[in-house]
Amino acid sequence: DAGVTQSPTHLIKTRGQQVTLRCSPKSGHDTVSWYQQALGQGPQFIFQYYEEEERQRGNFPDRFSGHQFPNYSSELNVNALLLGDSALYLCASSSDTGTARGYTFGSGTRLTVV
Amino acid sequence: SQKIEQNSEALNIQEGKTATLTCNYTNYSPAYLQWYRQDPGRGPVFLLLIRENEKEKRKERLKVTFDTTLKQSLFHITASQPADSATYLCASSDRGSYIPTFGRGTSLIVHP
Repeated sequence: DAGVTQSPTHLIKTRGQQVTLRCSPKSGHDTVSWYQQALGQGPQFIFQYYEEEERQRGNFPDRFSGHQFPNYSSELNVNALLLGDSALYLCASSSDTGTARGYTFGSGTRLTVV
Repeated sequence: SQKIEQNSEALNIQEGKTATLTCNYTNYSPAYLQWYRQDPGRGPVFLLLIRENEKEKRKERLKVTFDTTLKQSLFHITASQPADSATYLCASSDRGSYIPTFGRGTSLIVHP
């Protein structure tokens, strides 16, 4: 049973560029959340998608946008990249709000902005 | 604003001892607390969830407590092994929000 799959695993971009990260949730899960994790910090919530709609959003600028597809997979887009956007981007899926059985995380996409 | 705090200093212990990690929260009353394990370069792995009406939860060598008076959760690993070395994250959310806020994690190093 495949867990959460994220692609690519690593990415290097230049300041000002745009990037798209992809996530396939665990089988049976319909909710996808995105987190940003800087080195030595805990994951910070970006947004959550359910039924192809953004259900909740964290304290991130509009440069961060997302999408969920009918098959529950999701994309995270970041425009006008800044050096501070360098981080591990984590996708987490769940079959409910995640409070009962927790989230299932992917291994993340390591984004480096130069 | 709600805050969830974990000791940023690494915890070093000898194999076979019990490791105890602390998670403190302020400015809110979470309905639950979750604990995750994270290995370097990997995503967190869910371990345990404890609700506010539960004092203690166990799973194999793991035990979690939740003290709403002290606003604290303790995470214990008994008979620790070098393979338990990792960063442990706690997470919770305020009532009315189901989006967990994560602490920065505590690194556990178990020496053989």
